[in-house]
Amino acid sequence: AQRVTQPEKLLSVFKGAPVELKCNYSYSGSPELFWYVQYSRQRLQLLLRHISRESIKGFTADLNKGETSFHLKKPFAQEEDSAMYYCALLSGAGSYQLTFGKGTKLSVIP
Amino acid sequence: KAGVTQTPRYLIKTRGQQVTLSCSPISGHRSVSWYQQTPGQGLQFLFEYFSETQRNKGNFPGRFSGRQFSNSRSEMNVSTLELGDSALYLCASSLGAGLETQYFGPGTRLLVL
Repeated sequence: AQRVTQPEKLLSVFKGAPVELKCNYSYSGSPELFWYVQYSRQRLQLLLRHISRESIKGFTADLNKGETSFHLKKPFAQEEDSAMYYCALLSGAGSYQLTFGKGTKLSVIP
Repeated sequence: KAGVTQTPRYLIKTRGQQVTLSCSPISGHRSVSWYQQTPGQGLQFLFEYFSETQRNKGNFPGRFSGRQFSNSRSEMNVSTLELGDSALYLCASSLGAGLETQYFGPGTRLLVL
């Protein structure tokens, strides 16, 4: 069975400091990994997907299959980055379900 | 394109009642998935429908059911409500042909008293 672990429930950083949100996964197949973000009173929205290798709002994430990790990084945190961040794994082979981590609340201190 | 819409946005029910939630996917999307979000358990997969067929089901009791119509709109039903069913119910849609991104609706917040 697949599993996604986000070890930090809360992460506080100062504005302008680097940010790293950790995500580890367990999956026997080839993973499709996502980061979703939920700003206050807004819907869950896609931040980025590993296969696209895009940088969204300055965030990047690299899939490390050896360490089974997909950490989210940003070099300089902004106040508007404060939100809940969820790492998710999409399983395939006829089972198109997202398995989410418990989420990390990022608080950027001005 | 309009995003995923869910109705109603808020519901208050009492134990033992049943409830039906509705989800309209993004135009052209044929897959609809449902998730339950609670503070304790986080986001958990309920089920996924594609072309009116349930393709996958999560680990929830049979009181939770769903269906999908020919226009891809979906409903989920919870019968014999329990206090623990209080949650935010999220619907997500995708094209459905493979491992595509799922786009989420705003959710329906259900409170069971």
